[in-house]
Amino acid sequence: GENVEQHPSTLSVQEGDSAVIKCTYSDSASNYFPWYKQELGKGPQLIIDIRSNVGEKKDQRIAVTLNKTAKHFSLHITETQPEDSAVYFCAASINNQGGKLIFGQGTELSVKP
Amino acid sequence: GAVVSQHPSWVICKSGTSVKIECRSLDFQATTMFWYRQFPKQSLMLMATSNEGSKATYEQGVEKDKFLINHASLTLSTLTVTSAHPEDSSFYICSAIVGGGAKNIQYFGAGTRLSVL
Repeated sequence: GENVEQHPSTLSVQEGDSAVIKCTYSDSASNYFPWYKQELGKGPQLIIDIRSNVGEKKDQRIAVTLNKTAKHFSLHITETQPEDSAVYFCAASINNQGGKLIFGQGTELSVKP
Repeated sequence: GAVVSQHPSWVICKSGTSVKIECRSLDFQATTMFWYRQFPKQSLMLMATSNEGSKATYEQGVEKDKFLINHASLTLSTLTVTSAHPEDSSFYICSAIVGGGAKNIQYFGAGTRLSVL
């Protein structure tokens, strides 16, 4: 079955710097890749997603890139702010499996003011 | 984005009692909902897929008789932890799919923290 690996597990950046989180997946049939932000004690919040028919998607300070050949995708946050501090999860989904998501292990991002 | 409401947000119960957690889709109909369990500093572990009008599909290793799931309407799924024990203490999160078909965007509830004494 699908396996998603996420790196790094922790990431500390200075306010204003960029942060990059990387994920790899194993099943080439995966075609949907969302990213979630989870604050302490809360449920995950969808921040951006990408489908396999595009290579890059951007929404203000957040962007996601997808390399289908290498089976990896990355989250890029520019101009980081302290409120970006949270745990970020990547996930992968295969279209014909009823929407089930396979999650990465999570990255704890800390943005220092 | 779509709103998924989960209730209660926090529950404390005695060992041996049962606890029911509700998951509602507020502004859309959800034929499919998911239930996850999350331990501190760990990722989300899928417990089961809840389909409206049919039996839930449980992931390997999840006890069906322990974690009862009912998806009686297009906007409500419930998870009942039966005869709860301290090892069942965890953060339980539900999600619902918006879009269906090829879209399958999942939105999550705020989670329920269960503490079993």
